[in-house]
Amino acid sequence: GAGVSQTPSNKVTEKGKYVELRCDPISGHTALYWYRQSLGQGPEFLIYFQGTGAADDSGLPNDRFFAVRPEGSVSTLKIQRTERGDSAVYLCASSRPGAGELFFGEGSRLTVL
Amino acid sequence: GENVEQHPSTLSVQEGDSAVIKCTYSDSASNYFPWYKQELGKRPQLIIDIRSNVGEKKDQRIAVTLNKTAKHFSLHITETQPEDSAVYFCAASTSGGSYIPTFGRGTSLIVHP
Repeated sequence: GAGVSQTPSNKVTEKGKYVELRCDPISGHTALYWYRQSLGQGPEFLIYFQGTGAADDSGLPNDRFFAVRPEGSVSTLKIQRTERGDSAVYLCASSRPGAGELFFGEGSRLTVL
Repeated sequence: GENVEQHPSTLSVQEGDSAVIKCTYSDSASNYFPWYKQELGKRPQLIIDIRSNVGEKKDQRIAVTLNKTAKHFSLHITETQPEDSAVYFCAASTSGGSYIPTFGRGTSLIVHP
């Protein structure tokens, strides 16, 4: 596709449930980032992939959060035992190797009731 | 880790006026400073960036200045137009393999016609 694609665009779930958010980056972009954006805040870094491996996962808030990118393209962010505080827009971005510009997706809005 | 502070949180101007948004960063190793614009409900998009080897960069009505000694950088928009209304985020990152931007909290710019 022409841009970064994220699905679902909206997800409403109940506290305690498991959620998966998908990101399909721009073809050829080896770097992939997950950020979380709460209302009125800037994007907060979660995890960065270079190829298939998580090069930096220092932003994951706790062990309920996990992300994979098994083939170096599509990535899935997984959240276990969701809490109300997990409600936010989850943004995925990709970039070319060694380039600074991030290309963001439209985001997945997660609401935990 | 890096900490980016951004001011003001809200900026209201009349069409045709100039707007200035200021950011400070903490990590002296940061050397890449992008600015993103996020319209309501849309994805953040890069509008201009600057690297530490230059002090100023201009692109039509927007310019960015960088003071490495003081660890601050600013976005300047001249001749503002209503379509400039959006949230603007500054960010700081370190190049050399990976760029993981740390974002400021954002400035909501409102341009009144």
